[in-house]
Amino acid sequence: GEEVAQTPKHLVRGEGQKAKLYCAPIKGHSYVFWYQQVLKNEFKFLISFQNENVFDETGMPKERFSAKCLPNSPCSLEIQATKLEDSAVYFCASERENTGELFFGEGSRLTVL
Amino acid sequence: DQQVKQNSPSLSVQEGRISILNCDYTNSMFDYFLWYKKYPAEGPTFLISISSIKDKNEDGRFTVFLNKSAKHLSLHIVPSQPGDSAVYFCAASMYSGGGADGLTFGKGTHLIIQP
Repeated sequence: GEEVAQTPKHLVRGEGQKAKLYCAPIKGHSYVFWYQQVLKNEFKFLISFQNENVFDETGMPKERFSAKCLPNSPCSLEIQATKLEDSAVYFCASERENTGELFFGEGSRLTVL
Repeated sequence: DQQVKQNSPSLSVQEGRISILNCDYTNSMFDYFLWYKKYPAEGPTFLISISSIKDKNEDGRFTVFLNKSAKHLSLHIVPSQPGDSAVYFCAASMYSGGGADGLTFGKGTHLIIQP
């Protein structure tokens, strides 16, 4: 598609429950990024993929967060045992080759109660 | 440690006047800078970019200026229009050739255009 599509738009979870977010990057874009935006602050980088391979995961809280980008499937970001501080908007973005420009989805708002 | 800083959380400008949004960075390895615009409940959209080999890039009403020695860039919007009211994010990358290097974002400046 011509847009980065993220689902769901909103997700509510009780503390300790699992949350899974999905992202379909723009066709032909090789790179996918996940960012976390807490309380309208800056975007915190979580992880990036080059095709289905993890490129940089230095921003990921590894003990509870995991992400995948498998061929012919939407990319996913999963949070096991959610905590209150995980409440945020999670943005997925994809990048064309050699442009440095990211195209963002509309974000998925996760609320942990 | 915040590597990209936008020190003005908000800015109010009269319609028709010039809007100037500022951004400072601390990492001298950054060599590619971008501005994104964000409306509520939408993802950020790319606005304009500049490579460190340039000091100015212009696109219609939008001009970005880069002062490498001061580690400072600014976005000028002239004339400002009501539709420019949005949050503007400054972002920086260490690799102007693109690739999965990712971006480091500032906290954003909320621009409000007054009629």
